[in-house]
Amino acid sequence: KAGVTQTPRYLIKTRGQQVTLSCSPISGHRSVSWYQQTPGQGLQFLFEYFSETQRNKGNFPGRFSGRQFSNSRSEMNVSTLELGDSALYLCASSLGDSTSGYTFGSGTRLTVV
Amino acid sequence: GNSVTQMEGPVTLSEEAFLTINCTYTATGYPSLFWYVQYPGEGLQLLLKATKADDKGSNKGFEATYRKETTSFHLEKGSVQVSDSAVYFCALSDPNMRFGAGTRLTVKP
Repeated sequence: KAGVTQTPRYLIKTRGQQVTLSCSPISGHRSVSWYQQTPGQGLQFLFEYFSETQRNKGNFPGRFSGRQFSNSRSEMNVSTLELGDSALYLCASSLGDSTSGYTFGSGTRLTVV
Repeated sequence: GNSVTQMEGPVTLSEEAFLTINCTYTATGYPSLFWYVQYPGEGLQLLLKATKADDKGSNKGFEATYRKETTSFHLEKGSVQVSDSAVYFCALSDPNMRFGAGTRLTVKP
């Protein structure tokens, strides 16, 4: 079956702009989680959506937001980009919760210049 | 809060050497424990998991045992290959996945 698909794979944006990243989970998976990965901070949890509702949220500023659609596809948005937002953004899907493990996409590499 | 601590890398081994990557956790209750692997330019892949004390997770020659008494979940492999070179992450469910800092493994021929 198809894996988790993230688009685009690479993005270059300018400070102050906004960006939207997309994630299509594995068919049947209703939970989508987003992580930011940087060399300095490692993997940091952004938020999780389940059945179109944000179920958990990490410690990120309000510039980071997300949503989930009825087909479980999810988007995350970052407004007013800062240089420090440069990172690999990873999306992970699961059936319902984290106890069975996550399936990750290949990520979107965002570079802010 | 719950957390995971894993040994700092990088770890460099020769092919066919024995691998251990240490992982300890701090948690209230008994979370599920995981090892993930990340190859260059890719996302993370679930390598193995254990859901309760004394469970042993295994996959592709890798093993880890959920030790409640030592709050550990060390990753082991008896004979590493060059293709095992990657970054390995220990994680627990909290309820979302909480990851360690990652350990980079390089296996030389």
